[in-house]
Amino acid sequence: GENVEQHPSTLSVQEGDSAVIKCTYSDSASNYFPWYKQELGKRPQLIIDIRSNVGEKKDQRIAVTLNKTAKHFSLHITETQPEDSAVYFCAASETGGFKTIFGAGTRLFVKA
Amino acid sequence: ETGVTQTPRHLVMGMTNKKSLKCEQHLGHNAMYWYKQSAKKPLELMFVYSLEERVENNSVPSRFSPECPNSSHLFLHLHTLQPEDSALYLCASSRGENYEQYFGPGTRLTVT
Repeated sequence: GENVEQHPSTLSVQEGDSAVIKCTYSDSASNYFPWYKQELGKRPQLIIDIRSNVGEKKDQRIAVTLNKTAKHFSLHITETQPEDSAVYFCAASETGGFKTIFGAGTRLFVKA
Repeated sequence: ETGVTQTPRHLVMGMTNKKSLKCEQHLGHNAMYWYKQSAKKPLELMFVYSLEERVENNSVPSRFSPECPNSSHLFLHLHTLQPEDSALYLCASSRGENYEQYFGPGTRLTVT
């Protein structure tokens, strides 16, 4: 069945450094790739998403890249801050369906 | 953050009890979702409703029974649960397929 793998499971960086989280998906029909951030004790919230007709999208310190041929996409956070500490989930879904498959999550620690 | 609300926030129930979780969205969305979030596991999609019609049923045991009386309300009826069903149950809504999902705060369920 469909699967989304996410790496690493834990990531620790120094404040100001960059963080990269990578995901691969198995369903070639997937064409929508959102990223959610979940702070401790809070609900997941969308931080950025990308559709298959573009290869890269950027929003301030956050960027996502997509390689449809290789079936992988990545989240890049630059100039990390302590408030970026959270669990980040990637996900994939396909047109015509509501089924969203989530990765297992990456726990990001940003050390001040 | 009042777009999607869930009640109760915490629930402890015995294996022979019957209880219901409630979700309400105030965003005018057409789709609503139930997810299960367990420690160290990906978010697991349980059910999806679009315009009050169930469009996804992700091989969920029959002891979980969803109900969507209208596009603003979603219920999850629980009966004869098992201890392994203890988890955070998240409700979400979206405009439609392949759009951002807005999550509720979740119900922390403990089955004793």
